[in-house]
Amino acid sequence: GAVVSQHPSWVICKSGTSVKIECRSLDFQATTMFWYRQFPKQSLMLMATSNEGSKATYEQGVEKDKFLINHASLTLSTLTVTSAHPEDSSFYICSARDREGGRTQYFGPGTRLTVL
Amino acid sequence: QQQVKQSPQSLIVQKGGISIINCAYENTAFDYFPWYQQFPGKGPALLIAIRPDVSEKKEGRFTISFNKSAKQFSLHIMDSQPGDSATYFCAAIYQGGKLIFGQGTELSVKP
Repeated sequence: GAVVSQHPSWVICKSGTSVKIECRSLDFQATTMFWYRQFPKQSLMLMATSNEGSKATYEQGVEKDKFLINHASLTLSTLTVTSAHPEDSSFYICSARDREGGRTQYFGPGTRLTVL
Repeated sequence: QQQVKQSPQSLIVQKGGISIINCAYENTAFDYFPWYQQFPGKGPALLIAIRPDVSEKKEGRFTISFNKSAKQFSLHIMDSQPGDSATYFCAAIYQGGKLIFGQGTELSVKP
């Protein structure tokens, strides 16, 4: 099956620093990747859609200057949380579609971000 | 109209029993309905999915029942096991659209 990896799996950082999270599709090429945020006991909230070679599309209320997304290749998308604050602490999960126009999204294992 | 409503919020089932989770939607443009299983601290994993031209799909102990006219679909877990204890999310999507998740159901299977 399609495998998506994330790195790191968890990260602790100080307030004001920036953190980069990588999302890779390991056995398929993904023209579109997605970034979600999940708070405890809640559903996944879509933050942005990342298209290879173009700018990401952000959901309403998501600060594009704070959550920088880069989709430099067909197998890699990165999310950088800039000037992180404690309220950015959350579980960040990426997903990837396995083909153009496909409906199925495969999710990564998630990254737990804790901002002190 | 983009919402997918999921119930119950939590569910406790005895080992060997049947777990049933229900979802309802409004947008008739949805044409693909996946279910995801999520363990604590992990990302969601695709469990089973169905298209609206099929009324039922079974994979092992997991069955999706789909009622297009009622705009409802459900997940049945037969012979539930403690290892099935997880949070389950239904979802819906249409081509070019976003994956819309239900609120999630926390399932606990007691030995």
